[in-house]
Amino acid sequence: DVKVTQSSRYLVKRTGEKVFLECVQDMDHENMFWYRQDPGLGLRLIYFSYDVKMKEKGDIPEGYSVSREKKERFSLILESASTNQTSMYLCASRRTRADTQYFGPGTRLTVL
Amino acid sequence: ILNVEQSPQSLHVQEGDSTNFTCSFPSSNFYALHWYRWETAKSPEALFVMTLNGDEKKKGRISATLNTKEGYSYLYIKGSQPEDSATYLCAFIAPNTGNQFYFGTGTSLTVIP
Repeated sequence: DVKVTQSSRYLVKRTGEKVFLECVQDMDHENMFWYRQDPGLGLRLIYFSYDVKMKEKGDIPEGYSVSREKKERFSLILESASTNQTSMYLCASRRTRADTQYFGPGTRLTVL
Repeated sequence: ILNVEQSPQSLHVQEGDSTNFTCSFPSSNFYALHWYRWETAKSPEALFVMTLNGDEKKKGRISATLNTKEGYSYLYIKGSQPEDSATYLCAFIAPNTGNQFYFGTGTSLTVIP
């Protein structure tokens, strides 16, 4: 059974804190993605990676960075959390360009 | 950013009713369209991957059609059951946009027992 896991389901942080969201997939997929989901806005792409140590900006990269040191792990970093980063964060992976995308369970982040 | 629209935004139906919703996407530039189901507290799960104009896919009581020339896909649920309650997302992929999926905002379906 394929699996994408995320380090936390719920997270509460304070403004200005550095936040790490971890994602691990066990399918040997090259492509990994970070999205955020906000009411009425759909899933918006923050960053993606198509190979180890490679990263590309998505539609809303401001305030975020990413790290992919190993193929199975893709981390999203909020350098200095702000209240407008309160959201649901979803990690996903897929093998090739138009393959089925597999999602993690999401992390609901609240920044106070 | 490509515009992908889903309608309606939300839907309440009685158990046993059949229903359908729409995903609209740019017709001029098509590579593939995916449908996902996202149940509360779970991960979104893939329903269908559609690539050819006229494609029809079926999984149990759920089916989907694709019209790339006019830029829409329909998702149909026959005889809705409470376990069909979820948000249904479509994702559009255009050529020459790298690996990016463009998601609609989803249709939230509630099936009332």
